[in-house]
Amino acid sequence: DGGITQSPKYLFRKEGQNVTLSCEQNLNHDAMYWYRQDPGQGLRLIYYSQIVNDFQKGDIAEGYSVSREKKESFPLTVTSAQKNPTAFYLCASSAQRDWEGDTQYFGPGTRLTVL
Amino acid sequence: RKEVEQDPGPFNVPEGATVAFNCTYSNSASQSFFWYRQDCRKEPKLLMSVYSSGNEDGRFTAQLNRASQYISLLIRDSKLSDSATYLCVVYGGSQGNLIFGKGTKLSVKP
Repeated sequence: DGGITQSPKYLFRKEGQNVTLSCEQNLNHDAMYWYRQDPGQGLRLIYYSQIVNDFQKGDIAEGYSVSREKKESFPLTVTSAQKNPTAFYLCASSAQRDWEGDTQYFGPGTRLTVL
Repeated sequence: RKEVEQDPGPFNVPEGATVAFNCTYSNSASQSFFWYRQDCRKEPKLLMSVYSSGNEDGRFTAQLNRASQYISLLIRDSKLSDSATYLCVVYGGSQGNLIFGKGTKLSVKP
């Protein structure tokens, strides 16, 4: 079954802790993305990667870090520097290396709550 | 002006109704356009791409007006299962990435 998986589905974190969200895809897609969605808001891009061992900051990268050591995997770490981390985090992937006209497919998301 | 704007709704319609959603975008250089559907507390799923000539997929019709920087989605013969939030998505924003609208919520009632 091809697709994108994210884990965990729900995550609770205490203030001051770093947490890592998992994203794996078996679609053989080159590009992967992380978005954040807040209630009543559109998706905002955190980081993206168009090729292994390379990634770029999106619109709201502060307080987040990523790695892309394998084509299939693009984990996101939410650090203690992120001031308002409670949100719905969505990972996506697309087949092409460039953005133009390409379709992104999303994983089921991780809901992070900071206690 | 926001990069992608949508009427937030909610649109409450009876089954069988025809409903239209509109979306405007600010960057005239935008190159690709999409409609995604997002169910409550779920991930967005691609509904359809929007082509310059307009395109139809069953009960769904998408149209693009580049001159007015306007995209539309028409849903005919609404079903209960169409209830969701519809996201307008534009490629080619100011930073060369996908820009998502906040979505329009549709509720189809029996």
